[in-house]
Amino acid sequence: NAGVTQTPKFRILKIGQSMTLQCTQDMNHNYMYWYRQDPGMGLKLIYYSVGAGITDKGEVPNGYNVSRSTTEDFPLRLELAAPSQTSVYFCASSFPDQGTEAFFGQGTRLTVV
Amino acid sequence: AQKITQTQPGMFVQEKEAVTLDCTYDTSDPSYGLFWYKQPSSGEMIFLIYQGSYDQQNATEGRYSLNFQKARKSANLVISASQLGDSAMYFCAMREGGSALIFGKGTTLSVSS
Repeated sequence: NAGVTQTPKFRILKIGQSMTLQCTQDMNHNYMYWYRQDPGMGLKLIYYSVGAGITDKGEVPNGYNVSRSTTEDFPLRLELAAPSQTSVYFCASSFPDQGTEAFFGQGTRLTVV
Repeated sequence: AQKITQTQPGMFVQEKEAVTLDCTYDTSDPSYGLFWYKQPSSGEMIFLIYQGSYDQQNATEGRYSLNFQKARKSANLVISASQLGDSAMYFCAMREGGSALIFGKGTTLSVSS
């Protein structure tokens, strides 16, 4: 059982480049999330989705875009990468019931130089 | 405004001692869930324990228990009989109704022998 799979695990981008962080889950979860974690800090919500075709902004959405065309996939797009986007990115998923925990991917470490 | 507050950046404890990690939260929604996650130095997010707002009893999972004081809006994690492997960052998180899971800034726990 794969759970939540993120690719790539590591990436170095140059300022101004774009990329897509991939996230897929095989647990049939309705909810999916993207977080970023700066060194020594907590997780900040970028975007989340409560189902296919529905997305909503979190605390720090600027500079990012998402789409949710299927239940399984929730890619995060960075347009015009900036050094401030250097971070570890986590994708997570859960059922709608607020009593169920979220399952996390292993994270993507992104460096923008 | 911060919805989840963890005021202890770092905590130190000796093996076999108990330790309490503080978490306060802010919500006006009567229905919410509180979670604790562990993040070891390897970076993965590990779910530890859950407490629902309507739960009458404090949650327990092995050596982890949650000291839930609803009127004070606090949900402290208690780890009994600390082990070296408990050294990690610990995050308190909350989910209101059907919304996204949001995190506090975390507490780093160091267990020494």
